[in-house]
Amino acid sequence: EIVLTQSPGTLSLSPGERATLSCRASQSVSSSFLAWYQQKPGQAPRLLIFGASSRATGIPDRFSGSGSGTDFTLTISRLEPEDFAVYYCQQYGSSLLTFGPGTKVDIK
Amino acid sequence: QVQLQESGPGLVKPSGTLSLTCAVSGASFTSSNWWSWVRQSPGKGLEWIGEIYHSGTTNYNPSLKSRVTISVDKSKNNFSLKLSSVTAADTAVYYCTRGVIAMFYAFDTWGQGTMVTVSS
Repeated sequence: EIVLTQSPGTLSLSPGERATLSCRASQSVSSSFLAWYQQKPGQAPRLLIFGASSRATGIPDRFSGSGSGTDFTLTISRLEPEDFAVYYCQQYGSSLLTFGPGTKVDIK
Repeated sequence: QVQLQESGPGLVKPSGTLSLTCAVSGASFTSSNWWSWVRQSPGKGLEWIGEIYHSGTTNYNPSLKSRVTISVDKSKNNFSLKLSSVTAADTAVYYCTRGVIAMFYAFDTWGQGTMVTVSS
């Protein structure tokens, strides 16, 4: 089973700042099978990025994904008020899917 | 627009079986997608339970495999989850979701989630 570790656990930033979220895998993940989700309180997760770097439909271009192998990054170029939420990475491999524990981005 | 809607009892007794159904609208069940269940315990992260293809092929999380059954009813355009021998640890919000093969199995559509509490 591939274990995903996300850091930091919490990121305290101000609107307009840049957010850099890390997702590290216990073994190599095919870039194609790495996704990022945003979740706000009381809501279902929302797909942001699939294939490590492709934005899902309707996702603003301030969200970008990068990385390969065991290290992946989600970057929010300039935080908008609606971006304060929890972010999860997810991988799919060998018919087994796992999520990271999440990074909370809160207002400083 | 694809929509998913979970339904089922909100309260299940310990040692009982949790049963949920996900109604799929706006998409053909026979399209090239996998249909999954994901849960989230209160204040915790996301846990994948398992998935089913329209053919009936399933994959389960090894940690739950002995207790989980996911099935599909193509005539009703829905799929279901059964989780047996439940304990308080199974208390969670349960989501159904669609894994899109063309998006490398990323979950592009989610139900609103349904809270299931295991308690006597």
